[in-house]
Amino acid sequence: GAVVSQHPSWVICKSGTSVKIECRSLDFQATTMFWYRQFPKQSLMLMATSNEGSKATYEQGVEKDKFLINHASLTLSTLTVTSAHPEDSSFYICSARVSGTGNEKLFFGSGTQLSVL
Amino acid sequence: GQNIDQPTEMTATEGAIVQINCTYQTSGFNGLFWYQQHAGEAPTFLSYNVLDGLEEKGRFSSFLSRSKGYSYLLLKELQMKDSASYLCAVRDSNYQLIWGAGTKLIIKP
Repeated sequence: GAVVSQHPSWVICKSGTSVKIECRSLDFQATTMFWYRQFPKQSLMLMATSNEGSKATYEQGVEKDKFLINHASLTLSTLTVTSAHPEDSSFYICSARVSGTGNEKLFFGSGTQLSVL
Repeated sequence: GQNIDQPTEMTATEGAIVQINCTYQTSGFNGLFWYQQHAGEAPTFLSYNVLDGLEEKGRFSSFLSRSKGYSYLLLKELQMKDSASYLCAVRDSNYQLIWGAGTKLIIKP
């Protein structure tokens, strides 16, 4: 099956620093990637939808200037958490949809656990 | 508003059968998904239903009734490794996925 590689798996940073998370589709082209955030014992929350070559579409309540998303190629999308604060500590997960299909199967990255001190 | 309801937690015995229910109220319907998520890991795809009826895949089966806004995931011959959260998600008329909060399944020996 399709593989989505997400790095890093976990990161600890100081408050006020920026953190970049990468999401790569290894053996397929992903025109659309999704970024989710999941707090403990809560459901996945969609943050933004990223389309290759265009600006990301952010969900209501998600600050686009704080969560910068870049989808410059068909195999790579990045999420940068700028000026991270403790309340940004969460589990961030990307997923990719194979080009030309519906999202019957979303292929998920392994997730990034962000802890902001 | 859009809403997905599933039990918060369930407990079952190894070797037994468990049914996890999911009810939904969404703006349109374009399929229902079940995912398994182990603690600290990303979800993995289990099943997809778009037509009424039962879809069987090994030890796991998923059922859908669109008229009732209802689905269930049936797990047979439970194994300890099945201890996880099970997420129900519905794709609405805008092809957006609406996620349930997940059901934490605890398997006891």
